[in-house]
Order: sequence, then C-alpha cells, then structure tokens
Amino acid sequence: QVQLVQSGAEVRKPGSSVKVSCKASGDTFSSYAINWLRQAPGQGPEWMGGIIPMFGTTDYAQKFQGRVTITADESTSTGYMELNGLTSADTAVYYCARAGRPWLIQYNWFDPWGQGTLVTVSS
Amino acid sequence: SFVLTQPPSLSVAPGETARITCGGNNIGNKTVHWYQQKPGQAPMVVISYDSDRPSGIPERLSGSNSGNTATLTISRVEAGDEADYYCQVWDTNDDRQVVFGGGTKLTVL
Repeated sequence: QVQLVQSGAEVRKPGSSVKVSCKASGDTFSSYAINWLRQAPGQGPEWMGGIIPMFGTTDYAQKFQGRVTITADESTSTGYMELNGLTSADTAVYYCARAGRPWLIQYNWFDPWGQGTLVTVSS
Repeated sequence: SFVLTQPPSLSVAPGETARITCGGNNIGNKTVHWYQQKPGQAPMVVISYDSDRPSGIPERLSGSNSGNTATLTISRVEAGDEADYYCQVWDTNDDRQVVFGGGTKLTVL
C-alpha cells in the first residue's frame, strides 16, 4: 500500500516562496501522477496541478499557472511543489495525492493523500 | 466554469440511510468521485467512477450518477460515518480543471 509522507509546517512572509515535499513508499512512484491540492480553513480541496514522474509531464490549474512549479525526483520517490508570490490568501493545508489510475493526470481521482502540510503566510 | 452544488449539512439517526447529493449541469455525462474527510485528517476516496468502492470501503456506501445529480448513499449509518463529504469531477470544458463540490457535513444524531 502506497503511503505519502509530506514535509513539516512552514511559515512564510508575503512575497516569498515555499517548497513542500512528498515522499512516496512503494514501487509504483514513477507511473502514477502525483498531484498537489490545498485546502483553506473551512473550505473544500482545490487542485493545483500534477506530474507524472516517469515522463516529467505536468498539468497546472489555470489559477496557479505561472506561480506554481511541480517537480519529481524518481531516484528518491519524492515529489515537490513550489509556490511563489505568497499572500495571506495562500494560507492553507497543502496535500499531495497520488492519482487513482496510472499514466494519467486528467480524469483521475486522488488516492491516497499525504498527511498535509500547513503553510502560514503572515507578516 | 462547471459548478457542483452540495447541501451544506445533513443529519441522520444511526441505522438510517443518508443520501448526499451533488448537483451539476448534466453531471451524468461526467465521472464523479466522492471523498470522506474527518476532522484533522486528509480526505479519503470512498467512491470512484460514480459507483466503484475502493478496497476497504464498506458495502454500506454506494454511488449513483444520472441526469443533473450524483448521489452518495450511506446505508445503516454509524457514528463513525460522521464527516465532511466532497464530490469531484474533471471539467472537460474548462481546460481540464478539477472541480470539487462545497462539501456536506454529515452529522449522526
């Protein structure tokens, strides 16, 4: 059973950047998309984008294009999400989640999820 | 952009049936996935592809999707079912973006 373990909580100032990691266990890392989603307090999840590690193929939500970069390191089975230009509106719990089916980012569900990383943006 | 509408809350007595709806324009033409989220935890998929149950999800949970409404049905509700539930689709008309419903908080009385 795949497990995703994320890096710890972060506090950033407005205008700065944050990079969150997501390490996967198991041997199917490369063929399943790793997605990043966030959830603001009291809100539903919001998809930011995803990557298929084997190909390096990425897809980003329109809202975050140009501000988010998603990468993956097959050698360590670790995915990364970097978000730039932080504002207080970016304060949220950020999750990585594997795609339900291999080889696709789109038309997929998200399972399993990492434990979440709280990112707080405050001056 | 595509909008998914869920009732904000639903209260059900133990042993009864909970039906959580997810409304959207011709949602029956899309594939719906459902997630359960308990306080302080990450979401977990409970139904994929409208009605498929991942391994480990009890048979009491089932899904359907037709017309303008998808439904997650939880039979013989237990205290452990108390959680927020979200529906999710891919909006193929909007550059392949993911859409989540606003969530339904299920309270077991």
